[in-house]
Amino acid sequence: RKEVEQDPGPFNVPEGATVAFNCTYSNSASQSFFWYRQDCRKEPKLLMSVYSSGNEDGRFTAQLNRASQYISLLIRDSKLSDSATYLCVVAGSYIPTFGRGTSLIVHP
Amino acid sequence: SAVISQKPSRDICQRGTSLTIQCQVDSQVTMMFWYRQQPGQSLTLIATANQGSEATYESGFVIDKFPISRPNLTFSTLTVSNMSPEDSSIYLCSVTSGTGTTEAFFGQGTRLTVV
Repeated sequence: RKEVEQDPGPFNVPEGATVAFNCTYSNSASQSFFWYRQDCRKEPKLLMSVYSSGNEDGRFTAQLNRASQYISLLIRDSKLSDSATYLCVVAGSYIPTFGRGTSLIVHP
Repeated sequence: SAVISQKPSRDICQRGTSLTIQCQVDSQVTMMFWYRQQPGQSLTLIATANQGSEATYESGFVIDKFPISRPNLTFSTLTVSNMSPEDSSIYLCSVTSGTGTTEAFFGQGTRLTVV
């Protein structure tokens, strides 16, 4: 079993739609969780950290479920500019482990 | 945050040759990593670059193929040796502050094509 698993997609949604991604992790000792965004031919960039209490940043909401060992990312009112690959990142020590990413395509 | 300058941004190399990628950070950081990202794949950790000592390699990666230097807390190099077409990939330098588990920052990546 891979340490961090994501559905690669692609998720193909119209503008304005709400879309959710899940990510599962295998290491129960993991301590930090993040969502990164990677645009085509670019390096990954931090989208948001994921806290135990959940957190929201504008149209983006991240949740953590430690009991079931998964994190989620919800995007409301999707924009064309949200089209990208979203990487789930889990860190149990100093080394982040990346999922393979979920591809999102938002169309007009 | 940390600003990372990675170069070259891209290169096309002949098989059998070697390429050295440089990573320069604008501040002292504890942890520096080298990743590889093949098309459609996740980031795969090659090694942790340790300042003043040998890098720590992940399973499947060896020093003879991917020698790494880290002479100080702001600079590291990764060499891809004796290249073959299978080495064609994006190579990314990454840093974290190392104080607990924090976010990772990335260089712009080096897109390598071996012909």
